[in-house]
Amino acid sequence: DVVMTQSPLSLPVTLGQSASISCTSSQSLVHLNWFHQRPGQTPRRLIYKVSNRDSGAPDRFTGSGSGTDFTLKISRVEAEDVGVYYCVQGTHWPYTFGQGTKLEIK
Amino acid sequence: EVQLVESGGGLVQPGRSLRLSCVGSGFTFHEYAFHWVRQVPGKGLEWVSGILSNSARIGYADSVKGRFSLSRDDAKNSLYLQMNSLRPEDTALYYCAKDKEGDLDSWGRGILVTVSS
Repeated sequence: DVVMTQSPLSLPVTLGQSASISCTSSQSLVHLNWFHQRPGQTPRRLIYKVSNRDSGAPDRFTGSGSGTDFTLKISRVEAEDVGVYYCVQGTHWPYTFGQGTKLEIK
Repeated sequence: EVQLVESGGGLVQPGRSLRLSCVGSGFTFHEYAFHWVRQVPGKGLEWVSGILSNSARIGYADSVKGRFSLSRDDAKNSLYLQMNSLRPEDTALYYCAKDKEGDLDSWGRGILVTVSS
């Protein structure tokens, strides 16, 4: 199975500052998605196929990377960005998720 | 509007069975693959099972292989997860997710399964 490793697992950020989350896979990927989950809510996709932003996702969110190394960058963090961010790969079965990165406001 | 609605969850004793259903609307159901993803409250996301269009491929996580069975009825826009020999560690919120060519795009709101005596 493809192992997805996220870092950091905890991310305290000051409002208005930028933040980055890394996701590394054990095999090369094409289908890499980023999801955001607020407490008590369903995960909502932000990015698909590494760098394509979903409609409705703020343009503050940018996905990048290739092969086995991927990054989600959030510029100008807002209060609504708190929650847990997950990367998930859909290139190889079984699909696998990263452990999640919890973003909180300092 | 794309909608996925899960049902069939609840409280069940260890060793018993449950069947989860997921009904889709707002899109052409038979064209898509689907997956079940679960989440223990307060924990991360775990892929459980997936099925391609035309049931061309069905896969299971090792943790449920041999106990869970996934099927679809495209005429009813429905997905079914038959869960047998349930264990306390199967307790979780189960999400149905739609798959567009390797990218999970839409998710249901989830259905809670609690396995406890």
